[in-house]
Amino acid sequence: EAAVTQSPRNKVTVTGGNVTLSCRQTNSHNYMYWYRQDTGHGLRLIHYSYGAGNLQIGDVPDGYKATRTTQEDFFLLLELASPSQTSLYFCASSDRGYAEQFFGPGTRLTVL
Amino acid sequence: QQKVQQSPESLSVPEGGMASLNCTSSDRNFQYFWWYRQHSGEGPKALMSIFSDGDKKEGRFTAHLNKASLHVSLHIRDSQPSDSALYFCAAKEEASSSFSKLVFGQGTSLPVVP
Repeated sequence: EAAVTQSPRNKVTVTGGNVTLSCRQTNSHNYMYWYRQDTGHGLRLIHYSYGAGNLQIGDVPDGYKATRTTQEDFFLLLELASPSQTSLYFCASSDRGYAEQFFGPGTRLTVL
Repeated sequence: QQKVQQSPESLSVPEGGMASLNCTSSDRNFQYFWWYRQHSGEGPKALMSIFSDGDKKEGRFTAHLNKASLHVSLHIRDSQPSDSALYFCAAKEEASSSFSKLVFGQGTSLPVVP
């Protein structure tokens, strides 16, 4: 089964702070995704990538940057964190764009 | 407006009972569906996909799709405590293509009561 890991698992920062969330997948999947999960909204796509150096905008990109440095590693950057970005963040990967997505365990981010 | 709507928000089912979850897309382009399940403290995990009209059965789980009404349901037979989880419906525009985004519903919470 595909393995997706995320770090840190929990993060607390203050308004205006910088945060980097990390994701690594070890199955050579082409596609990687960042989602946020909020009660009442389900999972919403922030950014995604179909290979190293590639970045595509998702449905809720405002306030987020992302970078795919290698086939395995995908990062989500919050440069000026705001309380509205307090959420549970998931990274996922898939072999093809239409295939099953494999999710990591999530990072809970709190912005005070 | 959320393009993928799930109902109910929460559903309690007795152990051994049948659970029925519903999902409707408000966008006619979204005709291909996945069900994902998320246990507490974990990431979501795919249960099954359904792309054609009719029923698809995998063990105790049966999905039913009606493309004309853009409605998909998930039925869980002989519910077990391990089925207690948050269930997400997700829809996409293409069954197979280079890429099409998954759009998730808001989720249905399913506690299975012993």
